[in-house]
Amino acid sequence: DQQVKQNSPSLSVQEGRISILNCDYTNSMFDYFLWYKKYPAEGPTFLISISSIKDKNEDGRFTVFLNKSAKHLSLHIVPSQPGDSAVYFCAARSSGSNYKLTFGKGTLLTVNP
Amino acid sequence: DTGVSQNPRHKITKRGQNVTFRCDPISEHNRLYWYRQTLGQGPEFLTYFQNEAQLEKSRLLSDRFSAERPKGSFSTLEIQRTEQGDSAMYLCASLMTGETQYFGPGTRLLVL
Repeated sequence: DQQVKQNSPSLSVQEGRISILNCDYTNSMFDYFLWYKKYPAEGPTFLISISSIKDKNEDGRFTVFLNKSAKHLSLHIVPSQPGDSAVYFCAARSSGSNYKLTFGKGTLLTVNP
Repeated sequence: DTGVSQNPRHKITKRGQNVTFRCDPISEHNRLYWYRQTLGQGPEFLTYFQNEAQLEKSRLLSDRFSAERPKGSFSTLEIQRTEQGDSAMYLCASLMTGETQYFGPGTRLLVL
């Protein structure tokens, strides 16, 4: 049973345009969500996070939106750059879970020059 | 560099051999995690330490796997009698207060 789902295995966008990566979750106990970026043969790099008490968090070109009622979050990257090309993982955790993370399968983003 | 480090970065072994990986967390972080990532999947939680105490183990962690964190500093993950299904990237992450886990570069294991 996959508790965090990233239904798009891949996404391709043009440089300068917006990239929108989506994530759905099923566990209503999740209260904190994170996005990580991963290059091949490297560990995940933290990008941005959001608490369940918020619906939006912004950091430079990256914005995460949370819709608790729909159990859905999205990562917006504006403007997209070729260096953003990587696999993006959505992760979630619940209070009292020792902070362990549950990850989606990832979305491969390709930003074309 | 004050990030999480892992050694070795790559390991090739024959089926049936034992392997050991090391993780050095960010120095002030008291929580340490091991995850495993296979092709096409996201990282999956294996085990968690708070200081030197191993407080949680996933059902993914068979009895061939053992992890330690002596003195609450670095951690080791040992796999005994490796199987081809153990081939994966093994990731270590650490956390102090707050909500962000920081990951190391991983150890890629290939069991022939």
